[in-house]
Amino acid sequence: GAVVSQHPSWVICKSGTSVKIECRSLDFQATTMFWYRQFPKQSLMLMATSNEGSKATYEQGVEKDKFLINHASLTLSTLTVTSAHPEDSSFYICSARDTHTGYEQYFGPGTRLTVT
Amino acid sequence: AQSVTQLGSHVSVSEGALVLLRCNYSSSVPPYLFWYVQYPNQGLQLLLKYTSAATLVKGINGFEAEFKKSETSFHLTKPSAHMSDAAEYFCAVRMSGGYNKLIFGAGTRLAVHP
Repeated sequence: GAVVSQHPSWVICKSGTSVKIECRSLDFQATTMFWYRQFPKQSLMLMATSNEGSKATYEQGVEKDKFLINHASLTLSTLTVTSAHPEDSSFYICSARDTHTGYEQYFGPGTRLTVT
Repeated sequence: AQSVTQLGSHVSVSEGALVLLRCNYSSSVPPYLFWYVQYPNQGLQLLLKYTSAATLVKGINGFEAEFKKSETSFHLTKPSAHMSDAAEYFCAVRMSGGYNKLIFGAGTRLAVHP
């Protein structure tokens, strides 16, 4: 149980285009999901907290208009990187918090984004 | 504010040797602490968690960690390293209130050599 999937697992896009990453909780409901960014050989940096049916809460320094988050259902959150640039290339990881157990986060396998 | 500090960005051990990965936390409230493992190009897998019950926590793959309040530490250990343990390890503390966000340490890369 407690499986989180991400799609796609890797994506290459051209500079200036937008790319959408999906995060799904497969066997539990997740009122809250989190989006992280991880640069090579570095730790996870929390970008935003996504809540079903409401606006995401972004961490300081994260551009809301560049990283659009939508949490339309209890099992799906999406992160759209708009007008991507090479510096947006990174590993993006989502996690989902089980609504019923409360605090534990389950992590997705990550999405490798490369912007050329 | 809560935070974690992982001492040693790289740790190298021989196969069969003791693994010790250090984590110190800072928290004004009783913390919830976690250890995660990350293999290359993968997400995070929970190894173990401390939630104010037993101070010695046993996790998966033979890992365990001891919560020491007096030392504000939550070090991860494994008696005998295996080649498959080579990975990146992250210590994390759960923030109190709000959405219970996790704050991660910088990570420790464990290398295991024959």
